[in-house]
Amino acid sequence: AQSVTQLDSQVPVFEEAPVELRCNYSSSVSVYLFWYVQYPNQGLQLLLKYLSGSTLVKGINGFEAEFNKSQTSFHLRKPSVHISDTAEYFCAVSEGMGNKLVFGAGTILRVKS
Amino acid sequence: GAVVSQHPSWVICKSGTSVKIECRSLDFQATTMFWYRQFPKQSLMLMATSNEGSKATYEQGVEKDKFLINHASLTLSTLTVTSAHPEDSSFYICSARDPGGGETQYFGPGTRLLVL
Repeated sequence: AQSVTQLDSQVPVFEEAPVELRCNYSSSVSVYLFWYVQYPNQGLQLLLKYLSGSTLVKGINGFEAEFNKSQTSFHLRKPSVHISDTAEYFCAVSEGMGNKLVFGAGTILRVKS
Repeated sequence: GAVVSQHPSWVICKSGTSVKIECRSLDFQATTMFWYRQFPKQSLMLMATSNEGSKATYEQGVEKDKFLINHASLTLSTLTVTSAHPEDSSFYICSARDPGGGETQYFGPGTRLLVL
């Protein structure tokens, strides 16, 4: 069964600094990978996804992530964060077509001025 | 991107009553919808997979008689929390898979349930 580990529960960072939110997964088969963002009292918004092809995926709001099969990782990065990026970020994986998503525990990104 | 709505966004009810939450895909047809539950400061836990025209598939530990799911059309799934109790208070989020969206699930804004 697949699982997702988000190594950091909280990441504090200053505005305009770069940030990386880490995500590792375990699976015995090929996977689809996703990053979602959740603002307080709201649902989840898709940031980006990896289904196949290029391992570097660009998403909305200036975020990108790189799929590393050998390290089973899908870390999320942004070169310069804004106050408005403060939110909780969830990494998720599904094992192939039609299968359910399994979520990581989430990482709270706190951007300070 | 695809839009999923939920109604209501907030509901407060008395213990023992039933509450129905609607999930709609607004601009696409979803043969599969999902219902999640999220406790404060925790991740999303899948409760069940809702399939249009057939019975829902429940995750282990989720009572199907307590959390009734109906996926009556390609754009609507409902979750009914029957005989709600305070421990059912939570944030319920639905998602819908867009068949044309490459396996992507689009999430609704969530429903906050408080059972008194």
